[in-house]
Formats: sequence, C-alpha cells, structure tokens
Amino acid sequence: DGGITQSPKYLFRKEGQNVTLSCEQNLNHDAMYWYRQDPGQGLRLIYYSQIVNDFQKGDIAEGYSVSREKKESFPLTVTSAQKNPTAFYLCASSIVAGEQFFGPGTRLTVL
Amino acid sequence: QQQVKQSPQSLIVQKGGISIINCAYENTAFDYFPWYQQFPGKGPALLIAIRPDVSEKKEGRFTISFNKSAKQFSLHIMDSQPGDSATYFCAASHTGNNRKLIWGLGTSLAVNP
Repeated sequence: DGGITQSPKYLFRKEGQNVTLSCEQNLNHDAMYWYRQDPGQGLRLIYYSQIVNDFQKGDIAEGYSVSREKKESFPLTVTSAQKNPTAFYLCASSIVAGEQFFGPGTRLTVL
Repeated sequence: QQQVKQSPQSLIVQKGGISIINCAYENTAFDYFPWYQQFPGKGPALLIAIRPDVSEKKEGRFTISFNKSAKQFSLHIMDSQPGDSATYFCAASHTGNNRKLIWGLGTSLAVNP
C-alpha cells in the first residue's frame, strides 16, 4: 500500500531531551513537509523539502531540525531549544506543486 | 498576519441540513484553494479543491463556491450526516510561494443525529 507513515504514534519527552519523529513515504513524492498542530491554531509549517539534500524553514522552525538524505524519509528532531513542544505533529508529502497527502501524526507530550 | 480567514470557528447542524463554511483571502496571487477534512487524532485529507477559473465545483454532497472579486470561497455540505462531523480547513497557495499552503484556522463541525 502506498502512503505516509509516521512513528511513533505517541511520544513522551522529558524536558531538556531531544527527540526525533520519523516520517516515511513510498509515494515517490519529491516534496515533504512538517506541520505542528495546536488546538485552535490550525496547521503551522515547520520545515519543508522539495528535493533530497535541500530543505527550507517554515513559519516556526526555531527549536526544530530536519534532514533529507533520502527521497522517502524526512525525520524531524525536536530539540531542547523548543520551549513548548507539546503538540500534534503532522508530516505530509506531495509532487511539487501538487496535493499534499498527510500521515497519521505523532502526538508529543513533554513530561 | 493571517492571510486566510475562516469562519465560523464551530458549527452545529442537524442531520440532513446544509453546512456552510466560509473563507476569505487577501493575496490575489493565490490560485489553488483546497479544503481538507480532519477527524480527531488523524491527519487531514483532501476533500475537494478549486482553481479560480471556475466559480463552482461539486463532488457528491460537497460543493466549493468561489467568488474571485470578493476574494472569498466557501464549502457547502448538502444533506449533512453525523459521519461528516470533523474539523474542516480551507487553504490557499500560489506558485510564488513554492506552493506552500496557507491555512485557515479550521471549523469544527458537529452534525446532530
């Protein structure tokens, strides 16, 4: 089955720890995106990548980092510099300028 | 600055009724307007999308109406069903911003049986 997978579904982090969220797609899409979703704030773009080994900051990149070493993978690291990381994180992919397909999300909670 | 304004924030409709969600935008360069549907705990999924060369697009019970001069577009859900209860997001994009989607803040729809 083609699609986007995110893991884990739930993630708990202690303050001061870095954590990495996984996003994999087998749709052969060039573009991949990371969004953060908080109640009442819609979707906010963290980072996006339109080609392997290249990525751009979105609207709220501070405290996050990404890599795009393979076309099918776009992991997101939430660093200890992110002061309020508790949120629902969504990964998406698309052909360039095409419809975005979303994964099931990862809910991150800071303890 | 919110470039896509969505209303209402929440909506309650009786089964069989019509649900209407509105979005307004400011940037006249936008040329792609999708609507996404999101169920609790899931990722959003594309419901229907429109480009400004048409004023209306219909897919089953879902219709987008587009008013280019007013810079507004709306989603109509006919014969609303309890299974339509979800959060709906409008969005917009254009080639000048690398096709990044600019999102509305969402509308939580509840359809009472």
